[in-house]
Amino acid sequence: KAGVTQTPRYLIKTRGQQVTLSCSPISGHRSVSWYQQTPGQGLQFLFEYFSETQRNKGNFPGRFSGRQFSNSRSEMNVSTLELGDSALYLCASSVFGQAVANYGYTFGSGTRLTVV
Amino acid sequence: AQTVTQSQPEMSVQEAETVTLSCTYDTSESNYYLFWYKQPPSRQMILVIRQEAYKQQNATENRFSVNFQKAAKSFSLKISDSQLGDTAMYFCAFSPMDSNYQLIWGAGTKLIIKP
Repeated sequence: KAGVTQTPRYLIKTRGQQVTLSCSPISGHRSVSWYQQTPGQGLQFLFEYFSETQRNKGNFPGRFSGRQFSNSRSEMNVSTLELGDSALYLCASSVFGQAVANYGYTFGSGTRLTVV
Repeated sequence: AQTVTQSQPEMSVQEAETVTLSCTYDTSESNYYLFWYKQPPSRQMILVIRQEAYKQQNATENRFSVNFQKAAKSFSLKISDSQLGDTAMYFCAFSPMDSNYQLIWGAGTKLIIKP
């Protein structure tokens, strides 16, 4: 069974640019969550999508957005990049609702974004 | 605000020893789930063990076990017979049932197993 696939693995962008990250969940998983991981702030929840709808959103500015397609693949977009956006962005997929508590989330290996 | 605290930034033990990682959390919720995740250098978060708050029995998964003290809001992870492959960052995470199971994370503990 294929795992959660995140692309690209590494990315270097210039301040002011925008970036799109991709996440393909495990087959059958309809929920995709995004997390930002930095040395200073640790792991912070960005947003969660289920059946193409955003169900939950963390406390991030509007420059951070996402979407989910009908095949459950999700993309995350950051516009007008700032130096502080440099981070590891992790995607996690799960089955619906209560089952998450039984099986936890399955994470991808992340995209390391560096803003220069 | 709901928070998770891991008070040990880094720990190191000799291979085959037992090590305990601490985690405390703060919440007013009564129904929630607790997780320990491991993040090796490959960066992928791997679920180590999970615990439902309504279960008093401590969860165990092979060499990994937890000491769950609900009243004290404590959720420590014990690794027995530690192996070199256990070297990783370990994160404690809390998931309240009313948040669509969104994860709230601790800062992590870097565990080094020495040969």
